[in-house]
This record gives sequence, structure tokens and C-alpha cells, in this order.
Amino acid sequence: AQKITQTQPGMFVQEKEAVTLDCTYDTSDPSYGLFWYKQPSSGEMIFLIYQGSYDQQNATEGRYSLNFQKARKSANLVISASQLGDSAMYFCAMREGGRNTGNQFYFGTGTSLTVIP
Amino acid sequence: ETGVTQSPTHLIKTRGQQVTLRCSSQSGHNTVSWYQQALGQGPQFIFQYYREEENGRGNFPPRFSGLQFPNYSSELNVNALELDDSALYLCASSLTGRGRDGYTFGSGTRLTVV
Repeated sequence: AQKITQTQPGMFVQEKEAVTLDCTYDTSDPSYGLFWYKQPSSGEMIFLIYQGSYDQQNATEGRYSLNFQKARKSANLVISASQLGDSAMYFCAMREGGRNTGNQFYFGTGTSLTVIP
Repeated sequence: ETGVTQSPTHLIKTRGQQVTLRCSSQSGHNTVSWYQQALGQGPQFIFQYYREEENGRGNFPPRFSGLQFPNYSSELNVNALELDDSALYLCASSLTGRGRDGYTFGSGTRLTVV
């Protein structure tokens, strides 16, 4: 089974509107972390936001927020007030075992977001 | 902070050859991981080093090997290159490699095997 599933290969959003990028995950580890990364065409992966499995509140970082629904195993990224510079690939990732080193990131296949002027 | 730098940025190799990719970690980061990202896919974990020891490995054959040096820079070596090894190779460093400590990624080395 896939650890991370992103079902939206491509998304379009009007500038200044909000957009939600979907992510579901699969793990039996009670301790895990969920991450979202942005990958522009330059290739570099840029960290956006983190949600820990024990965090009580949804994470927020500026225009980014994470809609964490633990029972549904979903961790959707919400981008508010979209900007043209938000056009990029977005990857959801998970790391299991919060206190252990050597634990890899599992990435989804990504969502390509295009912001329309 | 100098970030993570990778070299070279692009590389073309012939099937059967060997290649070495290099990574300079962000200052103070003692954990480095390497990922392979095929076109249109998410990154796949190759291996991770912590203080010069390999402490995690993904589903990659032994011809993928690595080193981490005392200054925490690292290398990814791939022997007997195959066409399917064509991909973007990403290096990522982390302070602890655990918990909420995310990775800082480099811009990658794009390897083409012909």
C-alpha cells in the first residue's frame, strides 16, 4: 500500500483565491510527522509546513495551513490568497517514528499547482 | 546559513559507467539523506547518514553507495549505470533527522544515462 497518496495530478486556482491540495497517508505507527514541500521548476524542495501526529491543533505557517484529520488519515494543505509565485509542484511527505533517526521520508507523487492571473 | 549545495547540476553518462555526486550540507547539520526523483514522480529514499554512519537505507541495490565525511559533506556513488538511473538526485540535510526537524534540500543533480 502507498504510504502517501495525492490524488490530484494538477490543480488550477485563480490568483488571490484559496486552494486545497489533498493528501492521505497510511501508517500503523502512532508517532509520525507530516510535511508539505514545494518544488519549483528549479528542483529544490522547499519546506512549507509540519504536523505531528500528537499535535492537537492544525499547523499554520503564514498563508499555509494544514487541515489534519487524524481519523481519516488526511493532511490537506490549504493555501490562502494564492499568488503567481505559488505555481509549482507540491509534495506531501511522512516520516514515521518521531524520536528515531534513520527514518526516511515517504513522498507522494505530487500535485502540480498553476495560479491563473 | 549557506544551505545545501550539490554538484554537478547536470551530468550525462553512458550505461555501465560509474558516477559520483557530491553534496555539501547546511552548516551544523550532521544528518544527510539522498533521494532519487524520477520524472513525474515523488522522491524515493536511497539512504541516510548520521555522523558518518549509514543509519537507514531504502529499496536500492548495493551499486548505490555513499559516504559522509567529517565535515558532513557527502557523496553518492552509483556503479554500473542503467538507463533507469536517469533522474534528479536530491541531497537533504537535517540537524537531527527526526521529529519535526525537516530536511533542507539542495537543488539536485540531474543525471541522464544514455
